[in-house]
Amino acid sequence: EAEVAQSPRYKITEKSQAVAFWCDPISGHATLYWYRQILGQGPELLVQFQDESVVDDSQLPKDRFSAERLKGVDSTLKIQPAELGDSAMYLCASSYDRDQPQHFGDGTRLSIL
Amino acid sequence: GDSVTQMEGPVTLSEEAFLTINCTYTATGYPSLFWYVQYPGEGLQLLLKATKADDKGSNKGFEATYRKETTSFHLEKGSVQVSDSAVYFCALESASKIIFGSGTRLSIRP
Repeated sequence: EAEVAQSPRYKITEKSQAVAFWCDPISGHATLYWYRQILGQGPELLVQFQDESVVDDSQLPKDRFSAERLKGVDSTLKIQPAELGDSAMYLCASSYDRDQPQHFGDGTRLSIL
Repeated sequence: GDSVTQMEGPVTLSEEAFLTINCTYTATGYPSLFWYVQYPGEGLQLLLKATKADDKGSNKGFEATYRKETTSFHLEKGSVQVSDSAVYFCALESASKIIFGSGTRLSIRP
């Protein structure tokens, strides 16, 4: 089965630096999600795209986080500047459409020093 | 708002033991319910789901029944294996958004 691809798998950076994560969803999937998973907790939705449009970014800290999906395919999540509290696993998921099963990538583990 | 509460871990069992991981939910309306599994270093995989009351989801020997009267969706398996060691997340879907519980870490001893 095709997978959701994420890169990098691991990222270590210092606070105040910029960091970016990339996600390539399963081909044909219109809906793309970015989640943040703090150690010991369940994932929390940061942003949801339907094709190239944001449909939910209510939990995205917009002063430092941004997300885009310009052509409605792959997506980038950026943090600038990074803070110590941003250390977490960042998971991308995609689904054929809203209300369809979500398929998750392996995530990017971010450590802020 | 909608939420999911699941039993805290870690849960440690011997191989072939019976497993129950409790999950209860709070939601308006009638959400779909899920169990996801996360193996070390990997993303989440959908284990099973149920979309309406009294539905039973099952996969790989795991089962869970949607109980509307007790707002529960407990995960069970009759005989666990070492390979079942992972973190299990109960979740609900409401208004196209998935809300996850905090996860239960399961460790199986050989």
